[in-house]
Amino acid sequence: DTEVTQTPKHLVMGMTNKKSLKCEQHMGHRAMYWYKQKAKKPPELMFVYSYEKLSINESVPSRFSPECPNSSLLNLHLHALQPEDSALYLCASKTSAVPRNREKLFFGSGTQLSVL
Amino acid sequence: AQKITQTQPGMFVQEKEAVTLDCTYDTSDPSYGLFWYKQPSSGEMIFLIYQGSYDQQNATEGRYSLNFQKARKSANLVISASQLGDSAMYFCAMREYRGGSEKLVFGKGTKLTVNP
Repeated sequence: DTEVTQTPKHLVMGMTNKKSLKCEQHMGHRAMYWYKQKAKKPPELMFVYSYEKLSINESVPSRFSPECPNSSLLNLHLHALQPEDSALYLCASKTSAVPRNREKLFFGSGTQLSVL
Repeated sequence: AQKITQTQPGMFVQEKEAVTLDCTYDTSDPSYGLFWYKQPSSGEMIFLIYQGSYDQQNATEGRYSLNFQKARKSANLVISASQLGDSAMYFCAMREYRGGSEKLVFGKGTKLTVNP
């Protein structure tokens, strides 16, 4: 089973709204990721959580707030977003393997976000 | 810093024929991993195939194979017997380790169109 589940699939929000994106995996993976993908561009890393602790923040604006309540769940809280934040937001989790370079990332189907 | 280059913005292939998608990379790390992902219009990033830098043989997964030429720093994806469902964006990616965590760095992608 390599399933990463993201909800909602689509989200439309105003610039004053507060919303959250949710990502869930039950594969026992201990690293989880948020990526942002603009149309016709490759995904860009936003955040990495390793063992439920934030390990990488790619200088993401504070209007994006990640949270990892437990090893299976990853949230992205959104507040006061701008229209340019409209994008596909992808969650991923990573297998554990030996040697380490055999570890793989599996992605969810993403949340398509539109900010009006 | 690592870098991934995909020089083909778009490729066309006839159904049932084979197609090669190019990927070159640049890294000074001796231990690295290379990935190919497929992204259909639905948005999900689907893992296709993986090649580790120390792997002696080229990776294969069903109709997908990776032509790994380490000295040339290339990791081309070969899709045999193309199907209409193979039409999608294809991303080459390389693992980068930083701050005790890992992220994937993606190339710009190649849009593959399979014609009937």
